[in-house]
Amino acid sequence: EVQLVESGGGLVQPGGSLRLSCATSGFTFSGYWMTWVRQAPGKGLEWVANINRDGSQSHYVDSVKGRFTISRDNAQNSLYLQMNSLRAEDTAVYYCARDETHSDSSGHYFDAFDMWGQGTTITVSS
Amino acid sequence: AIQMTQFPSSLSASVGDRVTITCRASQGIRNDLGWYQQRPGKAPKLLIYAASSLQSGVPSRFSGSGSGTDFTLTISSLQPEDFATYYCLQDYNYPRTFGQGTKLESK
Repeated sequence: EVQLVESGGGLVQPGGSLRLSCATSGFTFSGYWMTWVRQAPGKGLEWVANINRDGSQSHYVDSVKGRFTISRDNAQNSLYLQMNSLRAEDTAVYYCARDETHSDSSGHYFDAFDMWGQGTTITVSS
Repeated sequence: AIQMTQFPSSLSASVGDRVTITCRASQGIRNDLGWYQQRPGKAPKLLIYAASSLQSGVPSRFSGSGSGTDFTLTISSLQPEDFATYYCLQDYNYPRTFGQGTKLESK
């Protein structure tokens, strides 16, 4: 059974740091791009960052660039999100998701976030 | 960043109804679009990728269409478990961007 389990959430003061983890099992972790998505209280979904299979490539939403770092440990089947200089607007539930990338006949790739964790809550407040 | 606009923002419907949700991109995104369903307190669930490809295990009453800037998600006959919030997501370029969501409620 495929499982993704986030941890590391909690209450942190503005300017503080947290490291989120996403422990995975039930699939070949190193074969998939991975993604973090967040959802502020009562708001919609926001894509945060992703990372390629070997960790050599990553992308971020502008609002977290320079503050958040996505990484992975394929030996430990785990995904991470190091969050520094946290702001009140970073308060959200953070989900990790597996990207079951699909391709068409021309070799074009499509994201498909097919498996998700249950989410971990970050609250940034003094 | 590409802006994704969904409409309506909310929709009231009854079991058995045919429902259509629209997503419009601020620029052309080919068919690089997915649809996700989210029930309250739960993680999102993938329904459609590549604008029209049904994810494995998703009921066939869900379908997607569109290309370029305009996309639709259709539920052919609403079931009780379909009352949820639906989001589109463009994967044409970075950063990926979601629509603001469409909340589907029971009439």
